[in-house]
Amino acid sequence: GAGVSQTPSNKVTEKGKYVELRCDPISGHTALYWYRQSLGQGPEFLIYFQGTGAADDSGLPNDRFFAVRPEGSVSTLKIQRTERGDSAVYLCASSPGIGELFFGEGSRLTVL
Amino acid sequence: GENVEQHPSTLSVQEGDSAVIKCTYSDSASNYFPWYKQELGKGPQLIIDIRSNVGEKKDQRIAVTLNKTAKHFSLHITETQPEDSAVYFCAASKGEAALIFGKGTTLSVSS
Repeated sequence: GAGVSQTPSNKVTEKGKYVELRCDPISGHTALYWYRQSLGQGPEFLIYFQGTGAADDSGLPNDRFFAVRPEGSVSTLKIQRTERGDSAVYLCASSPGIGELFFGEGSRLTVL
Repeated sequence: GENVEQHPSTLSVQEGDSAVIKCTYSDSASNYFPWYKQELGKGPQLIIDIRSNVGEKKDQRIAVTLNKTAKHFSLHITETQPEDSAVYFCAASKGEAALIFGKGTTLSVSS
């Protein structure tokens, strides 16, 4: 498809487990963003890539969260030692540059 | 860092009425102000945006106004339709920095 693809769409895990969430951006988009959205809230910025490098990771809540984009396309958000408070929808967006973000449908993470 | 406040949190209107959602931002250096619409189970989708060098922008039934002095911007939807029902988010950013979003407004349009 032509849009941003996120997998899995739903993930249920147990407290303390490790989780990976994947994002396939729109082809050719150099910028990629991760946001977290809790119920009834707006998207909360986590990290932003320009190409392969993290241009801004100031939104990552702690060192359990890490993201990579090794070839400047697909990105993986990694969460170690998950906690119940990590439960949320994790949104990925891509952009050709400054301006409109194109969002995926998100990965819903539930930590039991 | 930037902080974006949005109100109201919920808004109910009759079909055909107008709806107005307002946002304020804290960083006077912010220069890009988009509005996103999010339907249930979907990611947010851009509906209109404005940059700091203009005061108003229109696209059919949707308009956005920006007051840089007061650091606030508003979304105006005229002739609302049931399909306008969704959650609307304002956001702000400067340069290449990431967008900072408001908490959202749930708009309900009843026929």
